[in-house]
Amino acid sequence: EVQLVESGGGLVQPGGSLRLSCAASEFIVSSNYMSWARQAPGKGLEWVSVIYTSGSAYYADSVKGRFTISRDNSKNTLYLQMNSLRAEDTAVYYCARTGSGYGERYMDVWGKGTTVTVSS
Amino acid sequence: DIQLTQSPSFLSASVGDRVTITCRASQGISSFLGWYQQKPGKAPKLLIYAASTVQSGVPSRFSGSGSGTEFTLTISSLQPEDFATYYCQQFNSYPLTFGGGTKVEIK
Repeated sequence: EVQLVESGGGLVQPGGSLRLSCAASEFIVSSNYMSWARQAPGKGLEWVSVIYTSGSAYYADSVKGRFTISRDNSKNTLYLQMNSLRAEDTAVYYCARTGSGYGERYMDVWGKGTTVTVSS
Repeated sequence: DIQLTQSPSFLSASVGDRVTITCRASQGISSFLGWYQQKPGKAPKLLIYAASTVQSGVPSRFSGSGSGTEFTLTISSLQPEDFATYYCQQFNSYPLTFGGGTKVEIK
């Protein structure tokens, strides 16, 4: 079964760092565009970042310079390194397989999410 | 950034009703729009992409239409499992953005 499983969430103090992981099953991460999105408690969805098969990456303005998306091909795993965390980064973080055609960045396979709480 | 405005933000409907949700973009996005369904505590599920293409496995009662700046998601006959929150998302340019969501509740 095609599946994504996130891990690495938790409680972190403001200014701290966290690395989220997203392990894929039954498809190859490096052969697909992959994204992270998040959802703050009681709020809507927010796109965070995408990485292309080429390794090029794009970020939401709210995380640019603080978050880094990457992947480990040998582990078939996607990552999100989050630095300088703020209270407003508190959310459930989802990874998702993403379309690669022009104008087709729809997310067709989602993980169940991992919760990040930034608080002192 | 492209803003997406969904309306209504909340609607109350009965099983069997025809439901239409609108998503308006702040600038033209061709047909680069998708729709997702999200149930409480669950990940979003892709329903529609390219404005009107139904994702594999999605029931035929779901349909999408529109191009440019105005789009609609229609559920032809609401079923009990359709009560959820629906989001549109544009893929025209970065940053990718979502609409604010439409919560569909049981009347």
